[in-house]
Amino acid sequence: AQSVTQPDIHITVSEGASLELRCNYSYGATPYLFWYVQSPGQGLQLLLKYFSGDTLVQGIKGFEAEFKRSQSSFNLRKPSVHWSDAAEYFCAVGDLDSQEKSSGDKLTFGTGTRLAVRP
Amino acid sequence: NAGVTQTPKFRILKIGQSMTLQCTQDMNHNYMYWYRQDPGMGLKLIYYSVGAGITDKGEVPNGYNVSRSTTEDFPLRLELAAPSQTSVYFCASSYIGLYNEQFFGPGTRLTVL
Repeated sequence: AQSVTQPDIHITVSEGASLELRCNYSYGATPYLFWYVQSPGQGLQLLLKYFSGDTLVQGIKGFEAEFKRSQSSFNLRKPSVHWSDAAEYFCAVGDLDSQEKSSGDKLTFGTGTRLAVRP
Repeated sequence: NAGVTQTPKFRILKIGQSMTLQCTQDMNHNYMYWYRQDPGMGLKLIYYSVGAGITDKGEVPNGYNVSRSTTEDFPLRLELAAPSQTSVYFCASSYIGLYNEQFFGPGTRLTVL
């Protein structure tokens, strides 16, 4: 079964500083990878996704992520953080087997990284 | 276009009580999901449905039931509430296939005392 590890529970950065959130996955084949963001009191919103092709993917709100197969990683980055980026970020991996069997595109989520932004 | 809506937003139950969490989507999505989110644990899949009349268990189905009589609605039923079911519950939906993102509702915060 696939799994996702987000090693950082909390991260604090200053506004304007760069950001990198780590995500490592365990999956036998080429994974489908996602980053979601959850603002306080809200549901999750998709930031970006990777299925194949270019390993550097661009998302909304100025975020990008790079898929590195050799490191089993899919880290999220932003060059300059804004105060409105304070939220919880979840990495997720999709179950390719379920996709092929048409039994539901199930996701396995990491435990999340809570980002705080200093003024 | 309201997306995914959930009711209620908050609820407090006593041990042994029952309740239904409502979820409705207006995007004509075939796939719908119920997750629970516990602090520090991420989201765990409870049940999912690939279309009206079809449901299946996720990772943590015990203590819950679902039904899917229409494309739009996917209610989650708690029959005998237990403190372990205190959590935030999210409903989500997507088009067919993993290529499509899951759209999440705002969540229901449930406390069982």
